[in-house]
Amino acid sequence: GDSVTQMEGPVTLSEEAFLTINCTYTATGYPSLFWYVQYPGEGLQLLLKATKADDKGSNKGFEATYRKETTSFHLEKGSVQVSDSAVYFCALSDRQAAGNKLTFGGGTRVLVKP
Amino acid sequence: DAGVIQSPRHEVTEMGQEVTLRCKPISGHNSLFWYRQTMMRGLELLIYFNNNVPIDDSGMPEDRFSAKMPNASFSTLKIQPSEPRDSAVYFCASSFAQQASNQPQHFGDGTRLSIL
Repeated sequence: GDSVTQMEGPVTLSEEAFLTINCTYTATGYPSLFWYVQYPGEGLQLLLKATKADDKGSNKGFEATYRKETTSFHLEKGSVQVSDSAVYFCALSDRQAAGNKLTFGGGTRVLVKP
Repeated sequence: DAGVIQSPRHEVTEMGQEVTLRCKPISGHNSLFWYRQTMMRGLELLIYFNNNVPIDDSGMPEDRFSAKMPNASFSTLKIQPSEPRDSAVYFCASSFAQQASNQPQHFGDGTRLSIL
């Protein structure tokens, strides 16, 4: 079956540091890939997505590139802010499955200190 | 535009009581998902519907849990009887799904459930 593996947190950084969160996946089909972010006390929000190989998703200074050859979708941000403190989830969607079911990774907690 | 609406936002009740969580998906979305999130187990998919029909309920923990979607704009998740280990944040999400689509899921703010 499909699976997503993320690096375990927590990841603690200073403001303006570079952030990378690794994500690799296993899928039987050709999935779409997503990053979601969850701020304290809130639901998950879509951060960015990529739907085919070599696509780069970007939003709010975050980027991730769909790497089919390495089955990876690593999230990066060049200069983090305290407001980026959150839990980040990598996910994939099997486009052939009914209903847009997502398979999520375990989440990575990021804490940015001033 | 209104997002996914869940109610109540918080629920505290005693074990053995029936609990009903409610969800209104985004208008026009045809898939609906119920998740449970805890520190120990992370985010778990409980059940999801497509066009009001349950597609996969393999994540429902046991017979005490049931979910319905009587129409395209409303779903419930019921726990009867409730137990302390059911304490968690329950999220509802919706999506517009069609064959080979790549649409994301949109999440509600969740219901924080505490069973005493």
